[in-house]
Amino acid sequence: QKEVEQDPGPLSVPEGAIVSLNCTYSNSAFQYFMWYRQYSRKGPELLMYTYSSGNKEDGRFTAQVDKSSKYISLFIRDSQPSDSATYLCAIPKTSYDKVIFGPGTSLSVIP
Amino acid sequence: GAVVSQHPSWVICKSGTSVKIECRSLDFQATTMFWYRQFPKQSLMLMATSNEGSKATYEQGVEKDKFLINHASLTLSTLTVTSAHPEDSSFYICSARDQRESYEQFFGPGTRLTVL
Repeated sequence: QKEVEQDPGPLSVPEGAIVSLNCTYSNSAFQYFMWYRQYSRKGPELLMYTYSSGNKEDGRFTAQVDKSSKYISLFIRDSQPSDSATYLCAIPKTSYDKVIFGPGTSLSVIP
Repeated sequence: GAVVSQHPSWVICKSGTSVKIECRSLDFQATTMFWYRQFPKQSLMLMATSNEGSKATYEQGVEKDKFLINHASLTLSTLTVTSAHPEDSSFYICSARDQRESYEQFFGPGTRLTVL
């Protein structure tokens, strides 16, 4: 089993839809969870991070962690064409230097 | 926010030549820099971690003699792909961290290398 798994998509939604992006992980010791957004042919940029369980909201984005299920989610409300990108979940492993990235989910928001 | 630049953004070279990619932190001092490789529609694969003034730590399976990393200052790290071959063609991305006890990495825009 891979340490971090993510449905690669592609996911296509109409503008204004609510988008749900998800990752599962295998190690229950993981505590810190991040979401990166990567536009085509660009480097990833950090969107949000959460620590332990619960929700965190930032504008149209909400990150959710369910440690009991080892499941993390990123919700995008009122999706916009500019949200079209690949979204990667990222989880630090045992130290600050080891971050495991999921394969990414490709999202297209259709006007 | 913290800005990381990479140069060049794309490069085409002949097989057997060496290519150097620069990664710079523009508005902060990077205690640690990371080099990743990304194939189309795949995730980031960590190649090596470098701390300023010390040797890079390479991930398993990454040839340190082929991918030379130098982190000579707190704002500059370089990756040199030596004797490049077509299978080295990929998207190379660097990232930098400004604090030792931080998970957050700031990524550069990436360098697309094509080896003919």
